[in-house]
Amino acid sequence: DIQMTQSPSTLSASVGDRVTITCQASQSVSVWLAWYHQKPGKAPKLLIYQASTLESGVPVRFSGSGSGTEFTLTISSLQPDDFGTYYCQQYNSYTFGQGTKLEI
Amino acid sequence: QVQLQESGPGLVKPSETLSLTCNVSGVSISRYYWTWIRQAPGKGLEFIGYIASTGRTTYDPSLESRVTISADTSKSQFSLRLTSVTSVDTAIYYCGRMTNSKGVDFWGQGTVVSVSS
Repeated sequence: DIQMTQSPSTLSASVGDRVTITCQASQSVSVWLAWYHQKPGKAPKLLIYQASTLESGVPVRFSGSGSGTEFTLTISSLQPDDFGTYYCQQYNSYTFGQGTKLEI
Repeated sequence: QVQLQESGPGLVKPSETLSLTCNVSGVSISRYYWTWIRQAPGKGLEFIGYIASTGRTTYDPSLESRVTISADTSKSQFSLRLTSVTSVDTAIYYCGRMTNSKGVDFWGQGTVVSVSS
């Protein structure tokens, strides 16, 4: 089973900050990685797929990079609507990271 | 517009079977993969499994012995059965559309299931 490890677990940042979240896979998943954003009480929302492709309608301040076992989600200029929890998911065997809670 | 809606009992007794249905509109379920994901209170997301358009199913190894996912294309719905539930199965259960190129691109709103006597 492929394990996904996100860091940090919690992140405090201010509006306008550049924020980076990392996701490490226990074995290579090539580029088969997605990032999701979940607000309290809501279903997750797909942000990025295939490691770096922005889902339609997602603001361009979000970007993803990486391949193999190391991946990064970057928010270039944090907005108030970006609070919540971010998850990575590899879709070889579909496991999720444990989540990164972003506090504004 | 693709929409998914979970339905089923909100309370299940220990040792019994949890059964949920996801109604899909705006797209044929004869295409894509259809998945169930859950989230225990205050915890992260857990992949349960999916059913492909071919009817092939894949389950998380930790749940495989208790899980069945099936689909009824005539009703545009797919279902989850989880047997022998315990309190650790208490969670919000989400259904979703999944592709092997994007992950889960459409989600239901989620349904809360509590396991308690």
